[in-house]
Amino acid sequence: QSALTQPPSASGSPGQSVTISCTGTSSDVGGYNYVSWYQQHPGKAPKLMISEVNKRPSGVPDRFSGSKSGNAASLTVSGLQAEDEADYYCSSYAGGNNLVFGGGTKLTVL
Amino acid sequence: QVQLKQSGPGLVKPSQTLSLTCAISGDSVSSDSTIWNWVRQSPSRGLEWLGRTYYRSKWFYDYAPSVRSRITVNPDTSRNQFSLQLNSVTPEDTAIYYCARGKMATGFDYWGQGSLVTVSS
Repeated sequence: QSALTQPPSASGSPGQSVTISCTGTSSDVGGYNYVSWYQQHPGKAPKLMISEVNKRPSGVPDRFSGSKSGNAASLTVSGLQAEDEADYYCSSYAGGNNLVFGGGTKLTVL
Repeated sequence: QVQLKQSGPGLVKPSQTLSLTCAISGDSVSSDSTIWNWVRQSPSRGLEWLGRTYYRSKWFYDYAPSVRSRITVNPDTSRNQFSLQLNSVTPEDTAIYYCARGKMATGFDYWGQGSLVTVSS
């Protein structure tokens, strides 16, 4: 069982916005501004899309944004495109040498 | 451009040692500003951080509690790579193993291509 809770699936039509949630505890998501989001296409390695709650690495479209409130973080994908269809994972630093991941959300572009 | 290229056997027998190598280009395993990690992914356990090594005037090694008694991550400065050894494997260790660059706090920005390792007799 994953330490962070994500919905198993999410969907939206092209051009729409979709938000994926990631719920943890005060020991991880709520305790640090160190939430990351990864995109993973089938058969590929994860790709970092958001770091430190809301920072986009170079090359990541600004359609991707992150936020956090209390023990929950969110990833919003605006202006959905076909290539956004993938699995998305959140992770959070949890103190010491602890890193926890979510179970993943399959995003379908209808 | 940083690239991580993984190598190692895809099949390991139970009780034996899983060994993988991650060759680095575009960066240095001895860099004092980054960290080198191993992460695995399986249907039953999801994504799981396993361990890391990094250099800050000396080498440091950190491991996940779940595998601490069985894991070793080692740098190889002569070949600019780092390795993973996981001892006494069981079928539960069957997973896709990834090497990755980055810090827990800021995320892993470069990943290897992944290595499917199956533990089976």
